[in-house]
Amino acid sequence: DIQMTQSPSTLPASVGDRVTITCRANQTISIWLAWYQQKPGKAPKVLIHKASRLESGVPSRFSGSGSGTEFTLTISRLQSDDFATYYCQHYDNYPWTFGQGTKVEIK
Amino acid sequence: VQLVQSGAEVKKPGASVRVSCEASGYTFTSYSINWLRQAPGQGLEWMGKVHAGGDTTTYAQIFQGRVTMTMDTSTSTVYLDLSSLRSEDTAVYYCMRSGGGHIGDVWGQGTTVTVSS
Repeated sequence: DIQMTQSPSTLPASVGDRVTITCRANQTISIWLAWYQQKPGKAPKVLIHKASRLESGVPSRFSGSGSGTEFTLTISRLQSDDFATYYCQHYDNYPWTFGQGTKVEIK
Repeated sequence: VQLVQSGAEVKKPGASVRVSCEASGYTFTSYSINWLRQAPGQGLEWMGKVHAGGDTTTYAQIFQGRVTMTMDTSTSTVYLDLSSLRSEDTAVYYCMRSGGGHIGDVWGQGTTVTVSS
């Protein structure tokens, strides 16, 4: 199984900050990577697919980059609604696996 | 476009559980439905998928032998059956759509399954 490792696990930040989350795969997954946002008690919401394609309706302050084994999710200017947990997920082969999550919390 | 899941379940260890996921608002047979779960305070775990068009299934190996995913095209519903339940299976179970160049664009609301004696 492909192992996905996110960093950091917790990210204290303030409104207006530029925030970057990293996701690494232990083998190449090309661009088959998605990013999700999850708030407590809610289902995840997809932000990015194919590593850098913004999902329809997602604000442009979210962006994704990377290919192969290293990927990043960037929030250009953090808004209050963005405090949540973020997960990366590969879908290169089965089983699909997720990173352990990054909680973006109020500094 | 939505996925609506069945209600919460409480089961005893060793029992089985069935969770349903009814799709609406799109062509059911054009997409796959994935099942994932999230234990309390933990991350997301992919369990497997069923392609509604071909009625083919792929399961994560760790669930092989305990999980069955089936579908009813007449009602656009996918079912997750999990047997030999243990306390570690306590989680929120989600269905999620994939296909058509997209992944995870539609999710069910989640079904809480509690396994307790």
